[in-house]
Amino acid sequence: DTAVSQTPKYLVTQMGNDKSIKCEQNLGHDTMYWYKQDSKKFLKIMFSYNNKELIINETVPNRFSPKSPDKAHLNLHINSLELGDSAVYFCASSFLAGGYYNEQFFGPGTRLTVL
Amino acid sequence: KNEVEQSPQNLTAQEGEFITINCSYSVGISALHWLQQHPGGGIVSLFMLSSGKKKHGRLIATINIQEKHSSLHITASHPRDSAVYICAVRSTGNQFYFGTGTSLTVIP
Repeated sequence: DTAVSQTPKYLVTQMGNDKSIKCEQNLGHDTMYWYKQDSKKFLKIMFSYNNKELIINETVPNRFSPKSPDKAHLNLHINSLELGDSAVYFCASSFLAGGYYNEQFFGPGTRLTVL
Repeated sequence: KNEVEQSPQNLTAQEGEFITINCSYSVGISALHWLQQHPGGGIVSLFMLSSGKKKHGRLIATINIQEKHSSLHITASHPRDSAVYICAVRSTGNQFYFGTGTSLTVIP
């Protein structure tokens, strides 16, 4: 069974469109993350939720909006897509115990291409 | 200047060699992570450290909190170890910082 899954794996869309990427984890973790990896392969965190509450919200355009309907899901909605949004987006999850976040498990990534 | 610096950026080794990748950071941390990104793009967490040393098979990770430095060692390297290795830290302020990665190629 896949621990952290993302859909879709590939997403090709036109500038100006609105799209969503879904993430689900079946590990029983209480914390989920979204990362962006740019064309130079540099990883950057975008958001993190713990028990459906936003705990990390990096400097990201407000066109990006995370939504966590429950602890097992963290979706990423992007409005008015721009060329610069083209990247690979990774979802991850971990467990918070004793005030410390444990190691993260990553999804396979979603390659977004904006034309 | 990036809060996390890795060296070397690129590394080519012969199969069987002992490999070391270094990571230095400039912020106070609650944990340091070593990640492996395969050529296919998938990311795997290798280690999470806050002190001392950890070992998984042929991989060893060490951290020196006072010197703000960590090393990832691979003993008896194998072509399947070829990947990008990324150092990441979670600061005490709950920020994440990533190194730019070390691209390792192990030649048979």
